[in-house]
Amino acid sequence: AQKITQTQPGMFVQEKEAVTLDCTYDTSDQSYGLFWYKQPSSGEMIFLIYQGSYDEQNATEGRYSLNFQKARKSANLVISASQLGDSAMYFCAMREGRLTGGGNKLTFGTGTQLKVEL
Amino acid sequence: DVKVTQSSRYLVKRTGEKVFLECVQDMDHENMFWYRQDPGLGLRLIYFSYDVKMKEKGDIPEGYSVSREKKERFSLILESASTNQTSMYLCASSTIRTSLGAYNSPLHFGNGTRLTVT
Repeated sequence: AQKITQTQPGMFVQEKEAVTLDCTYDTSDQSYGLFWYKQPSSGEMIFLIYQGSYDEQNATEGRYSLNFQKARKSANLVISASQLGDSAMYFCAMREGRLTGGGNKLTFGTGTQLKVEL
Repeated sequence: DVKVTQSSRYLVKRTGEKVFLECVQDMDHENMFWYRQDPGLGLRLIYFSYDVKMKEKGDIPEGYSVSREKKERFSLILESASTNQTSMYLCASSTIRTSLGAYNSPLHFGNGTRLTVT
């Protein structure tokens, strides 16, 4: 089974509109962390936002927020007021398990290509 | 800011060659990672290291090996390059020294090496 599932290979959004990028995850651990990264066409991976499994509030960072629904095992990224510069590939990732040795890795989804249009 | 530097942006090698991909980080991070990125498959972990001379296999280690002789440097080795190893290779590092333990510690990525094996 996929650990991280991103079901939207591509998305379009109008400039200034909000957009939600979907991410579901699969883990039996109680402690885990969820991340979103942005990869513009230049190729760099930019860390956007983090949500811990015990965090009671949804994480927010500027125009980015994470809609965390623990029971549904979903961690959707919401981008408000989209800008042309938001056009990029977006990856959801999870860290689970023990934190020593092999527990520090991130498992990534397949990504969603977002295009912001005028 | 954390800097993760990959020695080459583009590399073209012939089938059967031994290939070295080098990665250096300047933030004294304990963990270092090698991922490969392919369209439609996202990022897949090849190997990671949580200490000098320590390594663990990721999800797709076949055909690869790694070396970490110094804390700041993590090398990926393709013993005998094959065409199916044509890909984008991403190096990353992270620390376990965060306020909430290592769950919220993001990976910091290099700019990637696009390897073509002909």
